[in-house]
Amino acid sequence: GNSVTQMEGPVTLSEEAFLTINCTYTATGYPSLFWYVQYPGEGLQLLLKATKADDKGSNKGFEATYRKETTSFHLEKGSVQVSDSAVYFCALDRMNSGAGSYQLTFGKGTKLSVIP
Amino acid sequence: EAGVVQSPRYKIIEKKQPVAFWCNPISGHNTLYWYRQNLGQGPELLIRYENEEAVDDSQLPKDRFSAERLKGVDSTLKIQPAELGDSAVYLCASKQGFEAFFGQGTRLTVV
Repeated sequence: GNSVTQMEGPVTLSEEAFLTINCTYTATGYPSLFWYVQYPGEGLQLLLKATKADDKGSNKGFEATYRKETTSFHLEKGSVQVSDSAVYFCALDRMNSGAGSYQLTFGKGTKLSVIP
Repeated sequence: EAGVVQSPRYKIIEKKQPVAFWCNPISGHNTLYWYRQNLGQGPELLIRYENEEAVDDSQLPKDRFSAERLKGVDSTLKIQPAELGDSAVYLCASKQGFEAFFGQGTRLTVV
């Protein structure tokens, strides 16, 4: 079946530091890839997406590039802010052969804390 | 535009009791998901609907969990009887196109 593996947290960074959260996936064909963010006490929100190989998703200073050759979709931001403190989830949407239907599958999440 | 609405936000019940969660998706969204999210983990799919049809319920523990989506709009998820291990956040999401929109979830505590 499909799966997503992302780096374990928690990740603690100082304000203005560079952020990378690694994400790799296992799926047949060309899944759509997503990063969702969950702020404390809130639901999941879509941060960015990429629907085909070599696409770059971007939003709020965050970027991720769909790399088919390495089955990766790493999240990056050049200068993090305290307000970026949240849990980040990598996800894919693809036909799951075992279930016989499309499934939106999530990684376990990476908690980011940004300190002033 | 209203987002995905779930109720209740919090529920505490004793084990062996029944519990139900309600979800109102975004208007016009045909796809509806129920996920369970354990503490410190990512969401895990329980069931997916296309309109009123459950197209993927392979991960729903059918001995105690049931779900329905009447008229392809609102949905309810029920647990009967609840067990201690069912304590989690239950998330509902709806989708049209590429993006899934999530509700704030129902935090269930079974004591």
